[in-house]
Amino acid sequence: DGGITQSPKYLFRKEGQNVTLSCEQNLNHDAMYWYRQDPGQGLRLIYYSQIVNDFQKGDIAEGYSVSREKKESFPLTVTSAQKNPTAFYLCASALTGGAAYNEQFFGPGTRLTVL
Amino acid sequence: QKEVEQNSGPLSVPEGAIASLNCTYSDRVSQSFFWYRQYSGKSPELIMSIYSNGDKEDGRFTAQLNKASQYVSLLIRDSQPSDSATYLCAVRGSSASKIIFGSGTRLSIRP
Repeated sequence: DGGITQSPKYLFRKEGQNVTLSCEQNLNHDAMYWYRQDPGQGLRLIYYSQIVNDFQKGDIAEGYSVSREKKESFPLTVTSAQKNPTAFYLCASALTGGAAYNEQFFGPGTRLTVL
Repeated sequence: QKEVEQNSGPLSVPEGAIASLNCTYSDRVSQSFFWYRQYSGKSPELIMSIYSNGDKEDGRFTAQLNKASQYVSLLIRDSQPSDSATYLCAVRGSSASKIIFGSGTRLSIRP
């Protein structure tokens, strides 16, 4: 059953803690993305990766970090430097060539709340 | 000027009517255009992609692209209550590696 999984579905963080959000895909997609969505807002790009062991900052990378050690996995760490991390976090993946270039497919999301 | 602009709505349409959702974009060299549907509390779901000027139909959905006017639209025929959601327009511009999302239009289908 192909798709994108994210865990956990809900996450609560205390002030000063780092937390890591998991994203896994078995679609054989090269590119993976992390977005943040705030209530009533569109999606803002945090980080993206086109290939293993390489990633680029998006529009709001401050306070976040990522790694891409495997094609299937793109975890996001929300560090204590992120001052307002409460949001809905979405992971997406896409092919990087052909007619369906950059059609992004999303995982179910992780809702992070700071206590 | 935002890179991708949508009317936030809500757009209220009677059941069975045509819902028309509009989107404009600023990057003239944009190549690929996408419509996503997002139900409340859920993640976006890709419903249409369009790459060439003109219309593209898929079931009750039609995407329309006019690159000269930098305008893309989504028509939903025979609107159903299950179509009530936020619709996100997304555009791949001059940066080939990422797409830009609009803030979305909230659509409400009234019985």
